[in-house]
Amino acid sequence: GAVVSQHPSRVICKSGTSVKIECRSLDFQATTMFWYRQFPKKSLMLMATSNEGSKATYEQGVEKDKFLINHASLTLSTLTVTSAHPEDSSFYICSAKGTEIATNEKLFFGSGTQLSVL
Amino acid sequence: GENVEQHPSTLSVQEGDSAVIKCTYSDSASNYFPWYKQELGKRPQLIIDIRSNVGEKKDQRIAVTLNKTAKHFSLHITETQPEDSAVYFCAASRANFGNEKLTFGTGTRLTIIP
Repeated sequence: GAVVSQHPSRVICKSGTSVKIECRSLDFQATTMFWYRQFPKKSLMLMATSNEGSKATYEQGVEKDKFLINHASLTLSTLTVTSAHPEDSSFYICSAKGTEIATNEKLFFGSGTQLSVL
Repeated sequence: GENVEQHPSTLSVQEGDSAVIKCTYSDSASNYFPWYKQELGKRPQLIIDIRSNVGEKKDQRIAVTLNKTAKHFSLHITETQPEDSAVYFCAASRANFGNEKLTFGTGTRLTIIP
C-alpha cells in the first residue's frame, strides 16, 4: 500500500525556536496533503490543506504565519512551526491523497511528530 | 461545515463479545465514511470505509452500516480480541476525487477485557 513518511517523530525544542516537519509520499504522487494536530486523548483537528504548487488553505483559527506550509513537489510537504511556544506542544500528523485511482480516494497518514516546546 | 459526533467515548467489552461504535454527521452531501484505528502515539490506520451508495460493508470481523436518511453510521466489531484495544475514529467527507477534507469524530477508546 501507499506509504507516507513523516520526520522527525519527536522534537523537543526551546521556546522561540522554529521547527520543521517533513511529510513525504514514498511510492505515489500526492496532489493534496493535509496537516492535522492532535492533543492527548483528543481527535484529529485539521489545520490546513495544501495542494502542490499553490498556497495552503488554512482552517479557521489556525494562524498561517505561525504554521507555514510548503508543498513544493508532488512527494513532499513541510510544516514549519515558527517561534514555537509551549502551547504549540502537540502531536502533528500529515496525510496525503494521491493522483492515481488506487490512492485518490483514501487518506494515507504519516507516523506523526510529537512536538514538545520547553 | 460538517460536524461529526461519535459515541461512546469509552467502551469496554469482554473478549469475544461484540463492540458497536456510532457516529452521526450533519452534512447531507457527505458521501465517504472511513473508520480509523489509532494506537497510542501511532498513525491512524484505515480499517474499513463505506460510500453512500451502499448500506453495509463487511470485512471479516469488522462491519460498517450506513443510514443516509438518518445520517448515521456505525462500526461493528465481532469476536473481539485484545489486539482490538485502541482508539477508533469515524470520519466523513464529500469525496469526489478532489481535495475534500475529512472531518473526524471525537474518538472511542475501546478496551477489550481478557
